[in-house]
Amino acid sequence: DTGVSQDPRHKITKRGQNVTFRCDPISEHNRLYWYRQTLGQGPEFLTYFQNEAQLEKSRLLSDRFSAERPKGSFSTLEIQRTEQGDSAMYLCASSFPGQAYEQYFGPGTRLTVT
Amino acid sequence: DAKTTQPNSMESNEEEPVHLPCNHSTISGTDYIHWYRQLPSQGPEYVIHGLTSNVNNRMASLAIAEDRKSSTLILHRATLRDAAVYYCIPPADSSYKLIFGSGTRLLVRP
Repeated sequence: DTGVSQDPRHKITKRGQNVTFRCDPISEHNRLYWYRQTLGQGPEFLTYFQNEAQLEKSRLLSDRFSAERPKGSFSTLEIQRTEQGDSAMYLCASSFPGQAYEQYFGPGTRLTVT
Repeated sequence: DAKTTQPNSMESNEEEPVHLPCNHSTISGTDYIHWYRQLPSQGPEYVIHGLTSNVNNRMASLAIAEDRKSSTLILHRATLRDAAVYYCIPPADSSYKLIFGSGTRLLVRP
């Protein structure tokens, strides 16, 4: 399967714990995006990378959130001191150079904070 | 920022055409309109995009009004697999981040 993959698919954690999610984009894609989706709502943009550079972060991304894409390939999204409001589906997407309007999404990581 | 307006939900019968409308009255002359859809329990997927003239691809057609204040996504023969939330997405800045609204939930009846 050469699509975007995300790991884990599901994560249950207790409030206050740290969690880390991984996204593996399609190999030729230089842009990588993170979105968050809560039940009944459309996805919301969190941040994006062009190669290894993080170029924009949403105001939704509090200082408890950090994202990296160290070698311009896979990316990680870490949430520190999780809160119940962090419970959501975290989606990763990637796109070809010059075709950023066509983003390929992964299946998402569903986070439940208890 | 350009905004879009879509109906919350629509229904269709299987094998019939479906026309999903979107209003984007604040769009500028050089802005593309993009459509994505999200099947149940999956991430969104790109459907189509266009600027002025009508566009076709293997998934759908996009009809853009002459004044560009609205567009219609056309599924020529709806199948049960087309049941999804369809998002009409306004133009992004150079980041190309996607701004999803609530979309239109399409129900396809067998």
